[in-house]
Amino acid sequence: QITLKESGPTLVKPTQTLTLTCTFSGFSLSSSGVGVGWIRQPPGKALEWLALIYWNDEKRYNPPLKSRLSITKDTPKNQVVFTMTNMDPVDTATYYCAYSQQPYEEFDFWGQGTLVTVSS
Amino acid sequence: SYVLTQPLSVSVALGQAARITCGGNEIGSKNVHWYQQKPGQAPVLVIYRDSNRPSGIPERFSGSNSGNTATLTISRAQVGDEGDYYCQVWTSSTVGLVFGGGTKLTVL
Repeated sequence: QITLKESGPTLVKPTQTLTLTCTFSGFSLSSSGVGVGWIRQPPGKALEWLALIYWNDEKRYNPPLKSRLSITKDTPKNQVVFTMTNMDPVDTATYYCAYSQQPYEEFDFWGQGTLVTVSS
Repeated sequence: SYVLTQPLSVSVALGQAARITCGGNEIGSKNVHWYQQKPGQAPVLVIYRDSNRPSGIPERFSGSNSGNTATLTISRAQVGDEGDYYCQVWTSSTVGLVFGGGTKLTVL
């Protein structure tokens, strides 16, 4: 059974850096083809892809946000860490991590999401 | 950039077929995936790579993709099918992964 869970602050101040951790079970990020991505959803709005990391440490970022994003993996701990710098109130959203078993394809399973509010 | 266009809302009578479209330039040459999201919940994959159903998804869910339009069809729509539906593709190494704007399905 594959599960993912996001953790991190629920409130950050403008200009601060957001750091979120995705802790997962039921798969290994050392398995060929496997990836973990981050997706966000502002309240009442659509999904927006942010970043992806694959088993071979290949990383992909949403181009308009690339300069603010970073994604890393800790394979033994079954964790993926996501950071976004220079947070702004427009970055208020539910942040999801999700599992992909094939590169450049679908997200098979999603975490429950964590709401991050950016406010002073 | 690559844009996926979905209708904001689709309504369907109980027991009838609902069709949700996802438009994109030559989308027929890409693999399209569909997610269902109910209020307060995370998205769930319902169709992957145009027309494949994950384990546990009812046969009433089907997908097709050709030309500039991909379509998610829900036959014999039920109240439990209500929610938001998103299409998604991987475009290229420069653009990356894209979601459609989402469609709210209402079963009347």
